[in-house]
Amino acid sequence: DQQVKQNSPSLSVQEGRISILNCDYTNSMFDYFLWYKKYPAEGPTFLISISSIKDKNEDGRFTVFLNKSAKHLSLHIVPSQPGDSAVYFCAARPGTASKLTFGTGTRLQVTL
Amino acid sequence: GAGVSQTPSNKVTEKGKYVELRCDPISGHTALYWYRQSLGQGPEFLIYFQGTGAADDSGLPNDRFFAVRPEGSVSTLKIQRTERGDSAVYLCASSPGTEAKNIQYFGAGTRLSVL
Repeated sequence: DQQVKQNSPSLSVQEGRISILNCDYTNSMFDYFLWYKKYPAEGPTFLISISSIKDKNEDGRFTVFLNKSAKHLSLHIVPSQPGDSAVYFCAARPGTASKLTFGTGTRLQVTL
Repeated sequence: GAGVSQTPSNKVTEKGKYVELRCDPISGHTALYWYRQSLGQGPEFLIYFQGTGAADDSGLPNDRFFAVRPEGSVSTLKIQRTERGDSAVYLCASSPGTEAKNIQYFGAGTRLSVL
């Protein structure tokens, strides 16, 4: 039972354009959401997060949008840079537990 | 300061053997987590510690898996009678506390290969 889903295994975007990565969840108890970025042979690195009381959080080139009614969140990267090429994981946690539930990841490739 | 350190970075073992994987969290972090990532999947939760005690071990797949954190800092994940299906990257994370605002910081992982 995949509670956090990333339906696009890969995405290719040109440098300078916008990258949009999507994530859906099924557990209505989730109230905190995070995006992690992972390079090969490294651990996941925290990127940005959002609480369920908000619908948008922005940090530099990265913006996360949350649509609670649709149980959907997205990560926007603009402008995309070659160094953004990595696997991006969406993760979620309920207020009552510390463990994170991850999606299967989306591999982003930013081309020149 | 230093990040989360995991040793060894790679471990190759034979089916049926016992292995120990070590995690050294960020200094001062009270919460420590173990996850397992299989090929093509996201990390899956195994267990987490708040201080020395296991606060949630609901992700451990069976009783061959055990973890300890005796002094509230370094943790060891122990796997008995390893099986080929145990092959994965084992990730450790730590955080200053367990509230949602406390981000989990991950180590580079230990890649376990069971032959």
